[in-house]
Amino acid sequence: GESVGLHLPTLSVQEGDNSIINCAYSNSASDYFIWYKQESGKGPQFIIDIRSNMDKRQGQRVTVLLNKTVKHLSLQIAATQPGDSAVYFCAERWTGNQFYFGTGTSLTVIP
Amino acid sequence: GAVVSQHPSWVICKSGTSVKIECRSLDFQATTMFWYRQFPKQSLMLMATSNEGSKATYEQGVEKDKFLINHASLTLSTLTVTSAHPEDSSFYICSARVRGPGANVLTFGAGSRLTVL
Repeated sequence: GESVGLHLPTLSVQEGDNSIINCAYSNSASDYFIWYKQESGKGPQFIIDIRSNMDKRQGQRVTVLLNKTVKHLSLQIAATQPGDSAVYFCAERWTGNQFYFGTGTSLTVIP
Repeated sequence: GAVVSQHPSWVICKSGTSVKIECRSLDFQATTMFWYRQFPKQSLMLMATSNEGSKATYEQGVEKDKFLINHASLTLSTLTVTSAHPEDSSFYICSARVRGPGANVLTFGAGSRLTVL
């Protein structure tokens, strides 16, 4: 399944499928990006990060892609599991070291 | 790993009272902490940057007299919501930068849910 971030804040996928969550960021000068996972009633948890001099970074079951030309980030989750159900946010770091968050996408994994 | 602790996790207060929320870095020093606000089913909105030993930097539209921030030590920042009203009810989350290899990861507390009656 694939979301388009701002236009589709809810994404449902079957367990075992791959998920793609998209994010459009705002500042072309942002040099560092983080994907966070937030479960209901909790603070965001770090998933994976990427610097602006990279276009891809892989972690365990997750991959982040960065396209600076169109200011776009994506998070790919392989073999999505029920425990992946949460809201996912991308965050961009501005030059003043503040992090600003995108709209978020709610991922629901259907068993 | 780096842990950011917030207290209280949930507070209910009457309209007109002031509420203080504490944010502590438990096993590292944080010269800079950030305070966010989150309404239900919405994203995190940066309110202010808390700087140890100096004044906080507030984002545009955030009332500094309403949301008082004090960062008196390298491990503690506090946010005081003064004269709270029902519209201040929200989830407040603090975070601190932890220096990692080549980058600064933002670590978050578990959040403090404020309900103003």
